[in-house]
Amino acid sequence: AQKITQTQPGMFVQEKEAVTLDCTYDTSDPSYGLFWYKQPSSGEMIFLIYQGSYDQQNATEGRYSLNFQKARKSANLVISASQLGDSAMYFCAMREGLGGSQGNLIFGKGTKLSVKP
Amino acid sequence: SQTIHQWPATLVQPVGSPLSLECTVEGTSNPNLYWYRQAAGRGLQLLFYSVGIGQISSEVPQNLSASRPQDRQFILSSKKLLLSDSGFYLCAWSVLPQGSGNTIYFGEGSWLTVV
Repeated sequence: AQKITQTQPGMFVQEKEAVTLDCTYDTSDPSYGLFWYKQPSSGEMIFLIYQGSYDQQNATEGRYSLNFQKARKSANLVISASQLGDSAMYFCAMREGLGGSQGNLIFGKGTKLSVKP
Repeated sequence: SQTIHQWPATLVQPVGSPLSLECTVEGTSNPNLYWYRQAAGRGLQLLFYSVGIGQISSEVPQNLSASRPQDRQFILSSKKLLLSDSGFYLCAWSVLPQGSGNTIYFGEGSWLTVV
C-alpha cells in the first residue's frame, strides 16, 4: 500500500500568489515525521520543512508552511508569495518512528510546480 | 556547519563496467549514511543505509553494493553495471540517534548513464 500520496502530478501558480501542494500519508505508527523537499532541475534534494506527529502547531519556515491535519492524515505544503525560483519538483516524505525500518524516508511521487511570470 | 559532497556529478559507463560513487560528510560525527536512487520521473528509492563503519544494510536486492570504510565516507559500487542501473543517485546523512525528527540531508547527486 502506498504510504505517501501526492495526487497532483503538476501545478501552475502565478508569481506572487500562494499555492498548496497536497500530501496524504498512511501509517499506524503513532510516532512519525513528515518532510517536504524541493528538487530543482539541477537534481539536488533540498530540505524545506518538517512536521512531527506530536507537534501541536503547524510548522513554518519563511514562505513555507505545513498544513498538518492529523485526523485526515494530510500534510499539505503551502508556499506563499510564489517566486520564479520556486519552480521545481516537490516531494512529500514520511519517516516512521523507531518501530519502523531504521527510520528511512518514504517518498511520494512528487508534484511539479511551475511558477508563471 | 555540516556539508555533504558526492562525486562524480555525472558518469557515462558501458554495460558491464565497474562503478564507484563516493560520498563524504563533514562537520559531524557518527552520522547515518544513505544511498538513494531516483529513476526518471519517479520518487526516491532507498538502496543502502549505514549506522556505523562497516555496517551496511541493503533495502533492495541488486547488483550494487555499498561500503563505509571511514566514519564519514560512504561508497556505492558495482562490479558490472546493467542498463537498468541508470539513474540519479543521491547520498544522504542524518544524525544519530534515529527518530522521526531527524532530518535527512542530501548531497548534490550523481547522474549515471549506462550505455
